[in-house]
Amino acid sequence: DAKTTQPTSMDCAEGRAANLPCNHSTISGNEYVYWYRQIHSQGPQYIIHGLKNNETNEMASLIITEDRKSSTLILPHATLRDTAVYYCIVRVYNQGGKLIFGQGTELSVKP
Amino acid sequence: NAGVTQTPKFQVLKTGQSMTLQCAQDMNHNSMYWYRQDPGMGLRLIYYSASEGTTDKGEVPNGYNVSRLNKREFSLRLESAAPSQTSVYFCASSEVLGRYSTNEKLFFGSGTQLSVL
Repeated sequence: DAKTTQPTSMDCAEGRAANLPCNHSTISGNEYVYWYRQIHSQGPQYIIHGLKNNETNEMASLIITEDRKSSTLILPHATLRDTAVYYCIVRVYNQGGKLIFGQGTELSVKP
Repeated sequence: NAGVTQTPKFQVLKTGQSMTLQCAQDMNHNSMYWYRQDPGMGLRLIYYSASEGTTDKGEVPNGYNVSRLNKREFSLRLESAAPSQTSVYFCASSEVLGRYSTNEKLFFGSGTQLSVL
């Protein structure tokens, strides 16, 4: 899988947008970018994923740069319940199911 | 919806003991996974199964065996537990969303906290 680089930690004020960056400079054309989060010690939760175009769902937006070497996850109005570790993952086509998690970004939403 | 169910939730073993962690999903997914998570670290893939009857090694397979008993169940076995295997274990299954198998969404269980003394 293409390697991803994320900041170790970030803070965000409650009610403001949280913008979480991810660098995946070695990404190939058929590799999807995935975002998951893990709240406390729970199982990770799927947030969003995309290939080339920007994506939006009820949880977040995903902005992928035109060269696909980086992306940003946007939580439009962060709440205290969004405090979690956020993982950016690049998934390789024809690699037989391996989804490799990195260290992630620990997001703290503060009142 | 039950989703992905793991048993047990907690387990304490002595060094050298064996045990099997059970995982079952009711979403008719083809792929299933076992991850471990150590304190302050991300998840590491132990084994995965792309379909019933197939299994393959992940990043950290040593000391573990798996069985894909049927489409629903994927078990993880520790034959001779070691303190280094103290961890939280997560099982997951995936739903393919489009034409390619890489376009998928993982669903995780709530984890098994294992301590090996």
